[in-house]
Amino acid sequence: GQQVMQIPQYQHVQEGEDFTTYCNSSTTLSNIQWYKQRPGGHPVFLIQLVKSGEVKKQKRLTFQFGEAKKNSSLHITATQTTDVGTYFCAFDRYQAGTALIFGKGTTLSVSS
Amino acid sequence: DADVTQTPRNRITKTGKRIMLECSQTKGHDRMYWYRQDPGLGLRLIYYSFDVKDINKGEISDGYSVSRQAQAKFSLSLESAIPNQTALYFCATSDWTGTKYEQYFGPGTRLTVT
Repeated sequence: GQQVMQIPQYQHVQEGEDFTTYCNSSTTLSNIQWYKQRPGGHPVFLIQLVKSGEVKKQKRLTFQFGEAKKNSSLHITATQTTDVGTYFCAFDRYQAGTALIFGKGTTLSVSS
Repeated sequence: DADVTQTPRNRITKTGKRIMLECSQTKGHDRMYWYRQDPGLGLRLIYYSFDVKDINKGEISDGYSVSRQAQAKFSLSLESAIPNQTALYFCATSDWTGTKYEQYFGPGTRLTVT
């Protein structure tokens, strides 16, 4: 079935370095959502992208949706220890707000 | 108080036992979901419900059943638990606005089947 691939699976950075995770699909997506899960916590919604080529920023986080709507990325500038966690992308398989299919996530660790 | 609650938070059970995980929400959302999370596999959808009379299977429904007792309550049952159902289970809710529906997750139930 339709799915998304996330890379890398793990990433370790030094505090202050940048970080990027990618979400790729073989088919066109109607939208993409990003969630963050802190260690021991539950997923928390970050953002939704719906338009081709869309770019949204939240402080040090930049989210992009590809022109072909087949890929997305999350970039964190100057990572901090509070950025530690697993970042998931997810898409709405059937549109119209049915059910999300999640990628396997990228786990970020940050050393100070 | 938390908007989405799950009980129990941790449970150890034996193979073959029937177990029920419960989820309650005070957000007033119609849509509720059950996911399981396994290390390295992300979140996989088990069942979802759009209202009390609407129940749908997700990616991995075999071995599970659900009950939507009320708008605010959605229970997940394992009729005969097996060890490979050991996982972290999350309940979630969402409110479809016509353009987006972010999901709100509960704190999770860690289930161990021995």
